[in-house]
This record gives sequence, C-alpha cells and structure tokens, in this order.
Amino acid sequence: EAGVAQSPRYKIIEKRQSVAFWCNPISGHATLYWYQQILGQGPKLLIQFQNNGVVDDSQLPKDRFSAERLKGVDSTLKIQPAKLEDSAVYLCASASGQFANTGELFFGEGSRLTVL
Amino acid sequence: AQSVTQLGSHVSVSEGALVLLRCNYSSSVPPYLFWYVQYPNQGLQLLLKYTTGATLVKGINGFEAEFKKSETSFHLTKPSAHMSDAAEYFCAVSGGGYSTLTFGKGTMLLVSP
Repeated sequence: EAGVAQSPRYKIIEKRQSVAFWCNPISGHATLYWYQQILGQGPKLLIQFQNNGVVDDSQLPKDRFSAERLKGVDSTLKIQPAKLEDSAVYLCASASGQFANTGELFFGEGSRLTVL
Repeated sequence: AQSVTQLGSHVSVSEGALVLLRCNYSSSVPPYLFWYVQYPNQGLQLLLKYTTGATLVKGINGFEAEFKKSETSFHLTKPSAHMSDAAEYFCAVSGGGYSTLTFGKGTMLLVSP
C-alpha cells in the first residue's frame, strides 16, 4: 500500500514570496491533516479535512495560509506571503474513517521550508 | 482541551540500558494516548497507542507504555536500548472521535555504544 506522498521535499524562498505544498493521502483515507513542525517543537495542527470539508482550522494563520482539498483526495497548502517564522517542516497526514477516532495517523515525509 | 508535557528534550543511554521517556498529559475527557517515533528526515510513525482496556500497551520494536490515570502519565519504556532506537519520540493525546492529536515537544533519544 502506497504511503502519504508529499512534494516538494525541500523549498527555499525569500520572505514575502509564495510557496505551495502538495499532499496525496493514502487511498481511501477520508481525513487529511496538515501539521507545522518548527525545529525543536512538536507538530502543530494547521488544518483538518474530512473528505473535502474543513473540520478544524482554528490554528491556521488565515491572513497568509490557505489550504484546499478538492474532490476529497489531494490537498494543497499555500503560504503567501511567507515570513521568516514560517520556516518549518510541513507534514501531511491521513487517516481512514474507521481509525480517525483512535487518532492513528499516517504521515508523509514532510516538506521542509526555509524562508530567507 | 488536551495538552502533553514531555520531560527532557534529550535523553542519553548506553546500548543495552533501560530506556525511559516521560510523558504527562492533561485532558478534559478520557484520553487516547500515543507515542510516535521520527527518524531523521522521515515522517512520524506510530509506536503504540492506548485507547481503552489494558493499561499496559506493547508496541513495535520492543517498546511499551503504561497508562496511569492517577498520575496522568503515559511513560514509554524499553528494557534494552539498541543503536537503531536513536530517534525523536513524541507523545500525543486525543479526545477520541474526530478530535485532533495534540503533540508534545518531543524527546531526542541518544544511544551510545
């Protein structure tokens, strides 16, 4: 079974530029998450989708971050304009409906963003 | 709301020694508790989880953890460390249902020969 795919793995941009990350979850997984992991910290949830609807985006900085999950499969996370403090690893995770209530998430390898 | 505190950002052990990584949680509802491991440049991988039932749970690679409600703890242990155990370990809590996972800050386990 293929795992969660993310791209790009690495991205370097200058502040005020924009960037987009893509995630393809495990086939059949209805729930998709984007987490931000700053160096030295644990992952912090940015947004949670259930199919193509948003369940929780309370910690998403909506003035600069946006995310969508068209057709309930792939998802894109965008940052515009980027700030220095956005330097982090952006992790995508997915869970099937029957496991969502036990919190067993399957993570991708992450996209590492460096903002100069 | 849930929160997790992991004691010690770094833990160093010798190969063959006991591994003990500490985790305390706070939850307003009965918690679901997890340990994830992250190897360098990789995503997080589930080690073990507690949902309901037996309070001592066993995971992959010889790790186990015990849920102690009275102490609000879920410490991770392994009797004998191996070099391949060197990684970062995250404790996480969920309220169940479709509630999200809240992670601790992580503990880096260093294993020396």
